[in-house]
Amino acid sequence: NAGVTQTPKFQVLKTGQSMTLQCAQDMNHEYMSWYRQDPGMGLRLIHYSVGAGITDQGEVPNGYNVSRSTTEDFPLRLLSAAPSQTSVYFCASRRGDSEQFFGPGTRLTVL
Amino acid sequence: GQNIDQPTEMTATEGAIVQINCTYQTSGFNGLFWYQQHAGEAPTFLSYNVLDGLEEKGRFSSFLSRSKGYSYLLLKELQMKDSASYLCAVRSIGSWGKLQFGAGTQVVVTP
Repeated sequence: NAGVTQTPKFQVLKTGQSMTLQCAQDMNHEYMSWYRQDPGMGLRLIHYSVGAGITDQGEVPNGYNVSRSTTEDFPLRLLSAAPSQTSVYFCASRRGDSEQFFGPGTRLTVL
Repeated sequence: GQNIDQPTEMTATEGAIVQINCTYQTSGFNGLFWYQQHAGEAPTFLSYNVLDGLEEKGRFSSFLSRSKGYSYLLLKELQMKDSASYLCAVRSIGSWGKLQFGAGTQVVVTP
């Protein structure tokens, strides 16, 4: 199994540009989440999904959209990037009450 | 909501023991996780406690007291490779199993 994969690993955007961070898992996990990690602030939940077609907001959803059309994929869309969205983004998945598995992360810089 | 507190940084000598404390406040506790995160990498699962008491896994142990809203992670026989950030995360009932993370404790192991 590849586990949780994320692309791209690094990205630089200009303010106002849009992009999609990709996340996929091959473990048939129903739960998937997106986090951002900033220095001194730990991991903060952006959006999460409990199955295909079901998503909900986390702590810091503003400026981000998600959809879950398949069990495997959970893309995160930035509609109009802002410098405040410069961060490291992690996707995670789990089955039931088990532990979460994290992807390798995407390091995003918005100029 | 949840408040999760853990120390920002701890330093210890190779071969020693370090105890990382985590206190939390939550409505409807449903499990506490510890993750390890090396610089520039994704978090990886270390331990899970849902009942009071001590869980031991090799050099790492985790303790939980639900009545006190308190957990600790004990790292024994410290090795240089244990230098990392250690994240405490709490899951609550009725929130689709969302995890709330603390800011992390940076452990520095010195020779």
